[in-house]
Amino acid sequence: GAVVSQHPSWVICKSGTSVKIECRSLDFQATTMFWYRQFPKQSLMLMATSNEGSKATYEQGVEKDKFLINHASLTLSTLTVTSAHPEDSSFYICSASLIRDTQYFGPGTRLTVL
Amino acid sequence: RKEVEQDPGPFNVPEGATVAFNCTYSNSASQSFFWYRQDCRKEPKLLMSVYSSGNEDGRFTAQLNRASQYISLLIRDSKLSDSATYLCVVGGGSQGNLIFGKGTKLSVKP
Repeated sequence: GAVVSQHPSWVICKSGTSVKIECRSLDFQATTMFWYRQFPKQSLMLMATSNEGSKATYEQGVEKDKFLINHASLTLSTLTVTSAHPEDSSFYICSASLIRDTQYFGPGTRLTVL
Repeated sequence: RKEVEQDPGPFNVPEGATVAFNCTYSNSASQSFFWYRQDCRKEPKLLMSVYSSGNEDGRFTAQLNRASQYISLLIRDSKLSDSATYLCVVGGGSQGNLIFGKGTKLSVKP
């Protein structure tokens, strides 16, 4: 149980395009979903926290207009990287939570912006 | 001061060795503590939760010292498959968010 999927697993895009990443909890309904970013040899950095049906809470320094989060249902959250640039290239990981402090992680999406 | 700090590593040990990782956290109000394991280019996976009384899971033992705000992980009889990055993680944020340490890389050699 407690499986979280992400799609796509990797994506390569041109600078200036937008990329959408989906995060789904497959066998449970997640009250909260989290989006992280991890640069090489760095720790996971929380980007935003989203609760179904409400606006996401972004961490300091994360541009909400650039990283659009939609949490339309208890099993799906999407992250759209708008007008992507090479510096946005990173490993994006989502997690889903049913109870506090317990998070189940998706397999991650590796984004490369050319 | 960083919220969660870990040994910088990397740790290169022979099979069968015992290795210990340490971690400190800055927020004394933190409520939950974990060790995660992350393999290269993969998502982190929960290894074990850490309790004040200490807990053991097979070859792995975790300890928490709230007074010193210190967490440790001991791995006994290291296996090649233990090679990974070990992340110290602290919870207790207002929305249940987790704060990750930078991780300590372990390489177990034959």
